[in-house]
Amino acid sequence: NAGVMQNPRHLVRRRGQEARLRCSPMKGHSHVYWYRQLPEEGLKFMVYLQKENIIDESGMPKERFSAEFPKEGPSILRIQQVVRGDSAAYFCASSPLGAPIYEQYFGPGTRLTVT
Amino acid sequence: DAKTTQPPSMDCAEGRAANLPCNHSTISGNEYVYWYRQIHSQGPQYIIHGLKNNETNEMASLIITEDRKSSTLILPHATLRDTAVYYCIVRGLSGNTPLVFGKGTRLSVIA
Repeated sequence: NAGVMQNPRHLVRRRGQEARLRCSPMKGHSHVYWYRQLPEEGLKFMVYLQKENIIDESGMPKERFSAEFPKEGPSILRIQQVVRGDSAAYFCASSPLGAPIYEQYFGPGTRLTVT
Repeated sequence: DAKTTQPPSMDCAEGRAANLPCNHSTISGNEYVYWYRQIHSQGPQYIIHGLKNNETNEMASLIITEDRKSSTLILPHATLRDTAVYYCIVRGLSGNTPLVFGKGTRLSVIA
């Protein structure tokens, strides 16, 4: 059973471009979480999605950021008109429905660099 | 959620036990203590969790004080591969909820 997959692993964007980060959950997992990690900081929760539904987006910046988890395919975190402050590592995690909290498995992350 | 306090960094000699402390004085009765670690450039990895009894698994041991206001993660024989940032998190058991990470403790295992 493959783990959580994220791609690309590294992404470079110029200011003003769009960044699309993908997360493929583990097989059988219906819940996806996105976290952002700024340099020398801990992970900060951004958004929690179930298939076709956003459950909690309390950690998402109000502008330029959006997330989806369609019925088919990976979850996508989209950042429009990127700025230098968006440079960070973005991690996703997945879990099955009803699983205890420690059954949240993390992917290897996407490192976004905005130049 | 209860707030946790950890030292920012610690060193440990290879082969020795690494004891990582965590204070969580505002923990409530139904909250568990979870430990994760993040090796450089990787996603966090679950290590162990406990409610009030001491716990041990193949990775580590968790000692929780009787009043539950603090705990210690013990890596019995630290290796260079244990160099990582270790996060102590206090949370309920039920899943499908985000984790809340602090800054953790950066453990450096030295040869």
